[in-house]
Amino acid sequence: DQQVKQNSPSLSVQEGRISILNCDYTNSMFDYFLWYKKYPAEGPTFLISISSIKDKNEDGRFTVFLNKSAKHLSLHIVPSQPGDSAVYFCAASDGMDSSYKLIFGSGTRLLVRP
Amino acid sequence: SAVISQKPSRDICQRGTSLTIQCQVDSQVTMMFWYRQQPGQSLTLIATANQGSEATYESGFVIDKFPISRPNLTFSTLTVSNMSPEDSSIYLCSVDGGDTQYFGPGTRLTVL
Repeated sequence: DQQVKQNSPSLSVQEGRISILNCDYTNSMFDYFLWYKKYPAEGPTFLISISSIKDKNEDGRFTVFLNKSAKHLSLHIVPSQPGDSAVYFCAASDGMDSSYKLIFGSGTRLLVRP
Repeated sequence: SAVISQKPSRDICQRGTSLTIQCQVDSQVTMMFWYRQQPGQSLTLIATANQGSEATYESGFVIDKFPISRPNLTFSTLTVSNMSPEDSSIYLCSVDGGDTQYFGPGTRLTVL
């Protein structure tokens, strides 16, 4: 039973355009959500997080939106750059910070075309 | 942020043998986590390791198969015991950083 789902295994976007990566979850107890980026042969790198008391968090080119009623979050990257090409994982926990167990989605491979 | 190193970075092992993976952090941390990423799959938590206490294992993972040590606040080991080809995965350690978990580079294990 997948509690965190990323239904798009891959996404291809032109450089300079917006990349939108989606994530759905089923557990209403999740309170904290994170996005990670992973390059081959490296560990996941933290990008941005959002707690359930917010619906938006922004950090530079990265914005995460949370829709609790729909149990859906999305990561927007604007403008997309070729260096953003990587696998993106969303993760969730039922605590208000990352000291709790993280449940990961299956990942979306983003390709940003020059 | 925390800088995390893992040894070995990769290994090829024969079935029935055991491999111990080391995780070293550049600062003292309370909580360390061990994850597994099977080929084409997501990251799955194996166990949580706090210094001075027994590791807490997730459903589907047992101490006899994945014994963990946490001798101090900067170091942990995960042993994959009596390996089979199904244990071929990337094994990652992470540490709690407050607003995120910081991950090591992973250990790529292939079991023949």
